[in-house]
Amino acid sequence: DAGVTQSPTHLIKTRGQQVTLRCSPKSGHDTVSWYQQALGQGPQFIFQYYEEEERQRGNFPDRFSGHQYPNYSSELNVNALLLGDSALYLCASSGRDGGYEQYFGPGTRLTVT
Amino acid sequence: LAKTTQPISMDSYEGQEVNITCSHNNIATNDYITWYQQFPSQGPRFIIQGYKTKVTNEVASLFIPADRKSSTLSLPRVSLSDTAVYYCLPREVGYSSASKIIFGSGTRLSIRP
Repeated sequence: DAGVTQSPTHLIKTRGQQVTLRCSPKSGHDTVSWYQQALGQGPQFIFQYYEEEERQRGNFPDRFSGHQYPNYSSELNVNALLLGDSALYLCASSGRDGGYEQYFGPGTRLTVT
Repeated sequence: LAKTTQPISMDSYEGQEVNITCSHNNIATNDYITWYQQFPSQGPRFIIQGYKTKVTNEVASLFIPADRKSSTLSLPRVSLSDTAVYYCLPREVGYSSASKIIFGSGTRLSIRP
C-alpha cells in the first residue's frame, strides 16, 4: 500500500515564476491538506481539499491555489514566486471521516532564487 | 485555539527514557492532544494521541493529567534513530479539523551514543 507521494522531490525556480506541486494521497483517503515548512519551523497549514473543493484555508495569500481531481490527487500552485516562498511543501492525506491521523508525504523542497 | 509550549531542544543518551512535556493551558473540551515526529527532510509522522490519563502504543506513552493543561510524551529506551523534532498539538477530532492543526516549533531531541 503506497503512502502519500509527492512530486517533484526538489525544484528550483526564479522569482516571479509559477510552480505546480503534485500529491497523491494514501489509498482510501479522500482529503488532502497542504503545508509550508520554512527551515527550522513547524509546518504551516495552507489549505485543505475535499470533494474537489477547498474546504479550509490558512493565512496564505491568493497566490497560493490548489486543485483536487476526482481520483483525490491534488496540486498546489504558487504564482509570482517570492524568495520567501522557499520551503518544504508537505502534503497530508486523511480519511473520509476527517479523523485524527494525517499521513504526510516526504515533501517537495522548493528553492526560489 | 489552544497555544502549546514545548522546550526548544533536549539532549539525552541511548538507552535512557526521555520525557517531553507540552503545556496547553487553554485546551478546548473537545480537543485531543496529538504528537508527531519529524526527521530531517521528511514529513511529520503521527506518534500518539490521547484525551486524558495514559495512552501507550508500541512507540511511546502519553500522560495527560486530569486538568489537561499539559501532556508528557515518554519515549522509553531511546536510540540514535529517535533523534528528531517532536510536535505537540491539540486537534479537534471531526469533519473539518485540518485547519485547526497548528504546529509550533517543536522540540528538537538529540540522542547521543
